[in-house]
Amino acid sequence: GQQLNQSPQSMFIQEGEDVSMNCTSSSIFNTWLWYKQEPGEGPVLLIALYKAGELTSNGRLTAQFGITRKDSFLNISASIPSDVGIYFCAGPPQKLVFGQGTRLTINP
Amino acid sequence: GAVVSQHPSWVICKSGTSVKIECRSLDFQATTMFWYRQFPKQSLMLMATSNEGSKATYEQGVEKDKFLINHASLTLSTLTVTSAHPEDSSFYICSARDGQGRYYGYTFGSGTRLTVV
Repeated sequence: GQQLNQSPQSMFIQEGEDVSMNCTSSSIFNTWLWYKQEPGEGPVLLIALYKAGELTSNGRLTAQFGITRKDSFLNISASIPSDVGIYFCAGPPQKLVFGQGTRLTINP
Repeated sequence: GAVVSQHPSWVICKSGTSVKIECRSLDFQATTMFWYRQFPKQSLMLMATSNEGSKATYEQGVEKDKFLINHASLTLSTLTVTSAHPEDSSFYICSARDGQGRYYGYTFGSGTRLTVV
């Protein structure tokens, strides 16, 4: 089945730093989704990407759909404490498959 | 926006008993709902796809007789963990996709923390 490899698995950064994480797939995706999960909660959609090369922003978050359609990147600029959480990439088409997640920890 | 309500948010049960978890789409009709399980510090693993009016489709390795799924209406799917054991303790999360099948229509519930003692 489809596999998503997400890296890094964890990040420890200082407040104000930029963050970058990526996700690669063993197969071509037509859509990439990026979610954030906070402790004890379900994932919340951050950004959805629909075509190769697409670059989409949501506030301080920017995500890109790789040209090969097998990868995607998520960047967070000027991190703040509320960015703490686990970030997951995910792909359809018919059912979501999740990456392993990137756990973000921010030191104030 | 689309809202998915999951209940209960946490439950503690004794080994051997059954537990039912509900997943409701509050403001849209969901022809398809998904059930995930998440162990501590791990990713979400899809357990099954619940289709309104038909049998659920289970992922490989998921026991259909242990995890009973019913999707009796366009707004409700239930997951029943039968004869629960401590190893079934986990965070269970449902997701619903609206009837139009838009990918960004995947909305998640807030999860159910199951502890089997």
